[in-house]
Amino acid sequence: AQSVAQPEDQVNVAEGNPLTVKCTYSVSGNPYLFWYVQYPNRGLQFLLKYITGDNLVKGSYGFEAEFNKSQTSFHLKKPSALVSDSALYFCAVRDKRNNDMRFGAGTRLTVKP
Amino acid sequence: KAGVTQTPRYLIKTRGQQVTLSCSPISGHRSVSWYQQTPGQGLQFLFEYFSETQRNKGNFPGRFSGRQFSNSRSEMNVSTLELGDSALYLCASSRAGTNTGANVLTFGAGSRLTVL
Repeated sequence: AQSVAQPEDQVNVAEGNPLTVKCTYSVSGNPYLFWYVQYPNRGLQFLLKYITGDNLVKGSYGFEAEFNKSQTSFHLKKPSALVSDSALYFCAVRDKRNNDMRFGAGTRLTVKP
Repeated sequence: KAGVTQTPRYLIKTRGQQVTLSCSPISGHRSVSWYQQTPGQGLQFLFEYFSETQRNKGNFPGRFSGRQFSNSRSEMNVSTLELGDSALYLCASSRAGTNTGANVLTFGAGSRLTVL
């Protein structure tokens, strides 16, 4: 069975501090991994994805994510948070074998001035 | 170019009624997927259409159905509405042939359904 876990419902950070939004997955093989962000009253927007190669993936708005195969994790990071980063973040995993795509439950990030 | 357009954005129905939601994908995108978003369950996959054919289906009852037209526009229908159907319904389109691989999904803003 394939699943995606975002262990934190809520993450609070101060502006200027680094942020991490956690994601772990359980799927056989090497899946494709994605991060999406959702701002209020909007659909999800693509941030970044991991296909293969370098474990550190850089995406939009200064975000990056680190793929860790041994820990089956794909944590989203940003060195310096902005208030405008406050949003709902979703991790997604696609199994290459059956193309099944699953999303995590989401993590609400709040960046305080 | 225009993004994914979903209509209506907001609607209120009562139990037992049915509802039809529409999604117009990005021009050239042939794959359309539907998701249900609720605070407790996150995003749940409903179904995916490509070239007017349903290619994948999530674990939802038969009250949830959809279709895709020759111009790639898609509709989803929910019959005999229940209170638990209240949710944000998101449509996403994809450039490549199917909702597969490393293809990025482009989402619409969603249709928020409230069932009273």
